[in-house]
Parts: sequence; C-alpha cells; structure tokens
Amino acid sequence: NAGVMQNPRHLVRRRGQEARLRCSPMKGHSHVYWYRQLPEEGLKFMVYLQKENIIDESGMPKERFSAEFPKEGPSILRIQQVVRGDSAAYFCASSGTSGNTIYFGEGSWLTVV
Amino acid sequence: KQEVTQIPAALSVPEGENLVLNCSFTDSAIYNLQWFRQDPGKGLTSLLLIQSSQREQTSGRLNASLDKSSGRSTLYIAASQPGDSATYLCAAMDYGGSQGNLIFGKGTKLSVKP
Repeated sequence: NAGVMQNPRHLVRRRGQEARLRCSPMKGHSHVYWYRQLPEEGLKFMVYLQKENIIDESGMPKERFSAEFPKEGPSILRIQQVVRGDSAAYFCASSGTSGNTIYFGEGSWLTVV
Repeated sequence: KQEVTQIPAALSVPEGENLVLNCSFTDSAIYNLQWFRQDPGKGLTSLLLIQSSQREQTSGRLNASLDKSSGRSTLYIAASQPGDSATYLCAAMDYGGSQGNLIFGKGTKLSVKP
C-alpha cells in the first residue's frame, strides 16, 4: 500500500523558470493538501483540494502559485516565475473523507538559483 | 488567529532518559491536535492524534496529553533511544478551519545521545 508519492524529490530552477511539483495521494484518498516549509520556519498550509475542486486556498500566495487536482492523474502545484524566496520544501498530504488522519509525503525540495 | 508554539526548540538528552516535549496553542477551539515526527530530509510521520474530547493518547513509549483549557499539549517519551532523534512537530486543527488546515509549531529538535 503505497503512501503519498511526491516527485520530483529535488528540483533546481533558475529565477524566472517554472516549477511543477506532483503528488499522488494514498490509494483511496480523495483529499489532497499542500504545505510549504521555509528554512527555519514551520510548515504552513497552502491549499486543500478534492478532485477537480479547490476547497480552501487561503494559504496560497496571491500570485504565481496555482494548484490543481484533476479527475485523472496526480495533483500539481505550479509555481511560475520562481524567485529565490520560493526555495523551500513542499509537502503534499492526503486523507480520506473525514480528514481526521492526514498522511504526508516525503516532500519536494525546490532550490531556486 | 491560532498560533502554535513549541518549547524548547532543541533538546539533547542521554539515552534512557524520560522526556517531555511541550506544545502550546492560543485558541482552545481546536478540533484535534496531532504530534508528528520529521527526520532530516524526510516527510512527516504521524505519531499520535488527540481529538478535542480526549485527554490523552498512548502508543508504545509515547504518550500525548491535551489540556484545552490551558492551551497545552505534551508529548512524553519514555526510555529514550538514539533512534528517537528527530524533530517533533505538533499541529492543531481548528474548528474554524477547513479539514487538513493544520497549524504547526516550529518543532523541537531532539537528540538522544548513546
């Protein structure tokens, strides 16, 4: 029973490029959450998605960031025109309907040079 | 706005010692509180989940308590081992937030010396 799968695990982008992070939830889970962990900071909630719907994006930066969870395929967190301040670990998590127990992936480490 | 604080930020103990990690939160209207473990360069592993109606949860050498009235939770680790070395995070889920919107503390980095 595979857990939450994230890829790539490590990604290096130059300033101004786009970063795409992918997340496949645990089998049977239809709720996906993205978190960001900046250096020396705690994890911060970004967005909560269900299939084809954004439920809560209160933690998403207003510009350059977007997320989707299509009917087929993984959830994607997209960062356009990356800047050095976007360098962080991005964690995806998933849960079943109740959302009580949330399982985290291993994270994607983005470095912007 | 909910804020979660963990003290101390780092802790070093000799193997075999019992220890307590502290977590405080500012808004007592929480749905649940969770403790996670994070190893360097890795994701989070859920350790214990305490519902708002519960006072404590136990799993093996770990015991977590919750006191909503004082806004505090503690994680007790008995007979610590070097393998317990990791960063321990607590996270609160508010009634006012959407599910999965966990508010994390910055963690306590634990080092258990052999």
